[in-house]
Amino acid sequence: DTAVSQTPKYLVTQMGNDKSIKCEQNLGHDTMYWYKQDSKKFLKIMFSYNNKELIINETVPNRFSPKSPDKAHLNLHINSLELGDSAVYFCASSDVGTGRNSPLHFGNGTRLTVT
Amino acid sequence: GENVEQHPSTLSVQEGDSAVIKCTYSDSASNYFPWYKQELGKRPQLIIDIRSNVGEKKDQRIAVTLNKTAKHFSLHITETQPEDSAVYFCAARFTGTASKLTFGTGTRLQVTL
Repeated sequence: DTAVSQTPKYLVTQMGNDKSIKCEQNLGHDTMYWYKQDSKKFLKIMFSYNNKELIINETVPNRFSPKSPDKAHLNLHINSLELGDSAVYFCASSDVGTGRNSPLHFGNGTRLTVT
Repeated sequence: GENVEQHPSTLSVQEGDSAVIKCTYSDSASNYFPWYKQELGKRPQLIIDIRSNVGEKKDQRIAVTLNKTAKHFSLHITETQPEDSAVYFCAARFTGTASKLTFGTGTRLQVTL
């Protein structure tokens, strides 16, 4: 009954590989996000989707491509992985429509290690 | 631009003492200010939030104050306990970015016995 679930929890891969992280929320929220948390613990937004539509893209390299098949799912595909991509990636969701502005609910994170 | 500054970056207090973390934001029209707690290896979790039409909000040992004129808000934890040890993040929702939260850089709070 996890509200925001993402898989996998850990991902270890070599430079140059392509990998995907999946996220699903069962809260009925209309907006989903990807945040990156680096080794210094800074939380930076990468993307935001509202009802399957991309609304925020924070100057993330083209190697990162989000996909939202429906408003309950937001996946992140990363091509040609680089050492600097190593971080914890958090999926999150909230209810933004009609000014509700509900709090962000985070998934448990995916720790990506690129070797 | 959208910016949230948070201080201090680390804070060590003795059990039972109070802890205060401060944040400033750049957009005077920001309207929503949540605080998140992140324990080691876990996800950030909302602990308290405040909207711009309120100056103070309290929930048991945790309180948040907002000064819109000075564009800063603070988290106050009283009677700290070892389980309060974590990284705390402030955040702000800026005008025109209804779906985006900008986070501060985090404060690592250590409560010692």
